[in-house]
Amino acid sequence: DVKVTQSSRYLVKRTGEKVFLECVQDMDHENMFWYRQDPGLGLRLIYFSYDVKMKEKGDIPEGYSVSREKKERFSLILESASTNQTSMYLCASSPRTAYSNQPQHFGDGTRLSIL
Amino acid sequence: AQKITQTQPGMFVQEKEAVTLDCTYDTSDPSYGLFWYKQPSSGEMIFLIYQGSYDQQNATEGRYSLNFQKARKSANLVISASQLGDSAMYFCAMSPRSFGNEKLTFGTGTRLTIIP
Repeated sequence: DVKVTQSSRYLVKRTGEKVFLECVQDMDHENMFWYRQDPGLGLRLIYFSYDVKMKEKGDIPEGYSVSREKKERFSLILESASTNQTSMYLCASSPRTAYSNQPQHFGDGTRLSIL
Repeated sequence: AQKITQTQPGMFVQEKEAVTLDCTYDTSDPSYGLFWYKQPSSGEMIFLIYQGSYDQQNATEGRYSLNFQKARKSANLVISASQLGDSAMYFCAMSPRSFGNEKLTFGTGTRLTIIP
């Protein structure tokens, strides 16, 4: 089974701090994604990466950056945390295929609170 | 741009009844994929079922089936014989069916509660 592991289930940080959320997958997937989930808004894509050192902005990239130095690891960085970044963050991965969509496999999520 | 609409914020269903969760979509892509995910209260997203836009038959996976009506742009999830463990948030999502663009667009979700 695919395993996507997020480093923390719960995290509390202070405004202005630099925050790192880590995600590791064990299935050699090319694609990795970071989403933010808020009540009534569903999941919104922050950034995704389709290869090592490659990244593309999603729908809400402002205030975030990402890093992918190794294929299995995708980090989300909050450069200067603000209270409006309090949310549930979900990491996902999927293989790249030419002919059909493959489902994305998700981690358990990190519930981040910025005080 | 792609858009997914789930108009039912919450639903209550008696155990053992069938339930239909609505999903409509909008896209200009000629080829796309539709997904349903389940999110229990523990938070993990569980993939349930997939339908490709050119698939002739509706997808089925055990108790889950996808009622795909392409002309109406709807992709409703049907759960037969509901169980207490089906209580969760359900998300409909879509992706362009093109290599190199596997981003998912999600709906806002439906919270399903199964009543004993």
